[in-house]
Amino acid sequence: DQQVKQNSPSLSVQEGRISILNCDYTNSMFDYFLWYKKYPAEGPTFLISISSIKDKNEDGRFTVFLNKSAKHLSLHIVPSQPGDSAVYFCAASEDRGSTLGRLYFGRGTQLTVWP
Amino acid sequence: DVKVTQSSRYLVKRTGEKVFLECVQDMDHENMFWYRQDPGLGLRLIYFSYDVKMKEKGDIPEGYSVSREKKERFSLILESASTNQTSMYLCASTDGNSPLHFGNGTRLTVT
Repeated sequence: DQQVKQNSPSLSVQEGRISILNCDYTNSMFDYFLWYKKYPAEGPTFLISISSIKDKNEDGRFTVFLNKSAKHLSLHIVPSQPGDSAVYFCAASEDRGSTLGRLYFGRGTQLTVWP
Repeated sequence: DVKVTQSSRYLVKRTGEKVFLECVQDMDHENMFWYRQDPGLGLRLIYFSYDVKMKEKGDIPEGYSVSREKKERFSLILESASTNQTSMYLCASTDGNSPLHFGNGTRLTVT
């Protein structure tokens, strides 16, 4: 069963506006969350992460929000740019301190930013 | 900068063939992973390894095996390729303290 869920397979946003990508999880043991971006014919690249001890992490145009009680996180991109068009994967880890590094991924959301 | 190199970008193989997908990382990472990516299914973990000669099954290991003879190299083996193994295969590595770093993937087509 999918432990990390991205229920929107696609999102279309106009350039300059905010993009909000959502992610839900079911495993209460998850304590570290990441977002990856993937362009066609390339591997996913790390974008931003958040620990369960925080509820917000910001890096430039990208902000991730975590609501532990709702088991929900979201990625905000402001302002959106055409180069942000990609598939975004939400991922979670059970033990940030582990040397294992195993991640559980959602199915991805295709973001399209149009001019 | 971490570099994860997958030996082939595109492969076409016939049903029943034995297929080797090679992955090499240059950052002395202990942990290496093989995922496959399929439309609408996201990234699914096939196998992973946290040390030389060690391997662990992921969520979809059936039809695959792996080999880790050296720390920098992690090979995925399709013992007898089938059409349902047509997919994008992604190798990744980490030292456990940094996010997974992925290679550019191998697009495998089994006909």
